Amino acid sequence: AQSVTQLDSHVSVSEGTPVLLRCNYSSSYSPSLFWYVQHPNKGLQLLLKYTSAATLVKGINGFEAEFKKSETSFHLTKPSAHMSDAAEYFCVVSDFSSNTGKLIFGQGTTLQVKP
Amino acid sequence: EAGVTQSPTHLIKTRGQQATLRCSPISGHTSVYWYQQALGLGLQFLLWYDEGEERNRGNFPPRFSGRQFPNYSSELNVNALELEDSALYLCASSLKGGGRYTGELFFGEGSRLTVL
Repeated sequence: AQSVTQLDSHVSVSEGTPVLLRCNYSSSYSPSLFWYVQHPNKGLQLLLKYTSAATLVKGINGFEAEFKKSETSFHLTKPSAHMSDAAEYFCVVSDFSSNTGKLIFGQGTTLQVKP
Repeated sequence: EAGVTQSPTHLIKTRGQQATLRCSPISGHTSVYWYQQALGLGLQFLLWYDEGEERNRGNFPPRFSGRQFPNYSSELNVNALELEDSALYLCASSLKGGGRYTGELFFGEGSRLTVL
């Protein structure tokens, strides 16, 4: 079975400071991992994805994540937070080899950016 | 290029009624997915349709059903509404590569269903 745990339900940073959103996963298979962002009253947008290529994945808006198999982690980082980064972030795992069409979402981390 | 569109944006129903939600995928996408985002429960997989057929469904009762039309649009039907069905229902679409879905989903903004 697959699962994903987002270690912080709420993260608060000041504008211009680094962002770290933590995610651990569990998977019996070689997983595919994603980060999605949801701004208030909006749908979800894909930030980045890992699918067994490079372990350091760069996404949109300056975000990146590093896949660490030994730690079963896929933390999301950004060097400098911007006010527009305030949103809900979801870490997601999927096993495409089983072709279920199903993504497993974490519970989400709310990022607050203070001026 | 138009994104995934969902209608209605908001829907208010009473217990026992039926709700129908609609979704139009991005042009060229053959797969449509439905997810429920309920307060406190996170995002839960509901249904996956591809090329007109239901490929998989999540752990939801049979009163949650849907279909995909020849133009790949989809509708989700919820019968005998219960209070706990109140949620944001998100539709997503994706391309299919080599007979398998790619996992990169494009989401609509959702339909918020309120059951009174």
